[in-house]
This record gives sequence, structure tokens and C-alpha cells, in this order.
Amino acid sequence: EDKVVQSPLSLVVHEGDTVTLNCSYEVTNFRSLLWYKQEKKAPTFLFMLTSSGIEKKSGRLSSILDKKELFSILNITATQTGDSAVYLCANQGGKLIFGQGTELSVKP
Amino acid sequence: GAVVSQHPSWVICKSGTSVKIECRSLDFQATTMFWYRQFPKQSLMLMATSNEGSKATYEQGVEKDKFLINHASLTLSTLTVTSAHPEDSSFYICSAGGTGQYSNQPQHFGDGTRLSIL
Repeated sequence: EDKVVQSPLSLVVHEGDTVTLNCSYEVTNFRSLLWYKQEKKAPTFLFMLTSSGIEKKSGRLSSILDKKELFSILNITATQTGDSAVYLCANQGGKLIFGQGTELSVKP
Repeated sequence: GAVVSQHPSWVICKSGTSVKIECRSLDFQATTMFWYRQFPKQSLMLMATSNEGSKATYEQGVEKDKFLINHASLTLSTLTVTSAHPEDSSFYICSAGGTGQYSNQPQHFGDGTRLSIL
């Protein structure tokens, strides 16, 4: 059965800290690994990863994929309170298979 | 700007009412759209895949007579929760993209519909 697992499930940090969120997957039809940020509404797209070892960056956020070890990480540097959200990773192979999400709380 | 539009964003209605939720792809034609359900503190659960011009594909455990899906055009899919009851109260989200000719692009989500059945 296809599976996407995220860790940790929740995380509390202070502003300015750096965090690393983990996502591992076991899927029969891998096409790409996606990261989303979800606040009060529906998820908003962050990154799409298809190739191993190529880091994608957007401001203080970055992500990388390891297709050999079947995992991805999402890094957030110099965290701000506005980064507080649930971060979801998903395998996109036709339909999306989501992990459980990591709930990040950034304290002032 | 938004790529996928979902309406309404919030519905409160009495038990036994049927509720229709619309999902539109704004900048592209979507032969496939997806409907998810999310309970508090949980991840998104795929309910069904909506296919333009044909029947939807439902995930295991999802009642197709309860959750009617219609995808009559390349830009519109609707989900109707029939005879809704309090246990149907949830956050319903649609998505489009990431399939077919758009398979090298991510799926984008509508803003979701918060359904509360009294």
C-alpha cells in the first residue's frame, strides 16, 4: 500500500530558529514529491520535486529530494510567527497521497 | 492569482438538506479534478476522482450515492452531499491540475468549503 510518512507530527520553536521537516515515502508510482503549507484554508503550494539532489529555494524555505533513500526534507531558516502552519508533503502519481502533516508553531 | 475556485466557502444548514459545492479551474481545462475531505487535526483524505464526461472514481469507503459528483465541463466539477447529517460536517476541498498534459505541474487547491450540518 502506498504510504507517505511525515515527522515530527508537531514542533514548537521560537522565532529565529531553523527547522527541518521530514517526509518519507513508499509508493508504487512515483512521479513527484510536493510540499504544501496549510493555514486556516486549503493547502498552498510550496515546492515540487522530481529529481534527486537538486535543492529548491524560495526565500527562507528550501527543499530537497533523495530518490534513493525515498525521502525529502523541508528547511525553514530564521523562522517567523507567520510560518506557523501545518506542512504537508504528498506524492503526486496521478492522485495525491498525503502524509499526516507536521504542525509547526513558531513562538515570538 | 487563484488557479482553482471553490464555492461556497461556508455552509450551515439543517439535517436532511442536500448541499452542492462547485469547483472551477480558472486558467486551464481540467479533465480530472479531485475531492478531499479533512477533519480537524487530520490530513486530507481523497474521496473521489472526478472525470470529465464520465463517472467519478470513488475511494474505498466513500458512498457514491451520498456524495454525488458531476464533471460536466472541462472547467467545472460539483460535489453534492445528499441528505446531509451532522456527521457529514467537515472541510471539503477540491483540486485540479497535475494530471494529463499538466502532470509536470502541481495540483492546486480551491479555498475549501466548511460544511456544518445542524
